[in-house]
Amino acid sequence: NAGVMQNPRHLVRRRGQEARLRCSPMKGHSHVYWYRQLPEEGLKFMVYLQKENIIDESGMPKERFSAEFPKEGPSILRIQQVVRGDSAAYFCASSTRTSGRAGKYNEQFFGPGTRLTVL
Amino acid sequence: DAKTTQPPSMDCAEGRAANLPCNHSTISGNEYVYWYRQIHSQGPQYIIHGLKNNETNEMASLIITEDRKSSTLILPHATLRDTAVYYCIVRVLTGTGGYNKLIFGAGTRLAVHP
Repeated sequence: NAGVMQNPRHLVRRRGQEARLRCSPMKGHSHVYWYRQLPEEGLKFMVYLQKENIIDESGMPKERFSAEFPKEGPSILRIQQVVRGDSAAYFCASSTRTSGRAGKYNEQFFGPGTRLTVL
Repeated sequence: DAKTTQPPSMDCAEGRAANLPCNHSTISGNEYVYWYRQIHSQGPQYIIHGLKNNETNEMASLIITEDRKSSTLILPHATLRDTAVYYCIVRVLTGTGGYNKLIFGAGTRLAVHP
């Protein structure tokens, strides 16, 4: 059973370009979360999605960032017109569900991350 | 903001028990304590979680005080591979009754040395 997959693992962009980060959740998981980790800092929640729906985007910057999780295919985190401050590791996590008592079905399994470098 | 406070760093000798403390004095009655770790910039790894009873699994033990205001993660026999940043997280209960996002603090950087 493959874990959460993210690609690319490393991405280099010049200022002003677009960055597209992909996340394929674990098999059977329909909930996806994106987190960002700036250098030497902890992870910060960005957005939580279910299939075709954004449930919580309270951690997303208001501009240039968007996320989707289509019915078919991976979840995409898109950053338009990247700036140097966007350089970070972006982690995706997935879970089977979130409701009910906390337990194994709520566990978030993380991918290896995409390291974005903006030149 | 994170609802937990942890020491920024700790050391432990290989083979000894590592006891990582966490304060969560504002925890609500229906909020769980979770522990994750991050090894050298990899994706975080779930370790254990609990509500009010002590918990044990193959990786670690979790001791939660009776008033639930603090907890301790115990790695019974630390190895060099346990060197990582350990995050204590109070799982936020949403208005719809679900648990979703994880709020990470700065964590404790545990260094296990020979």
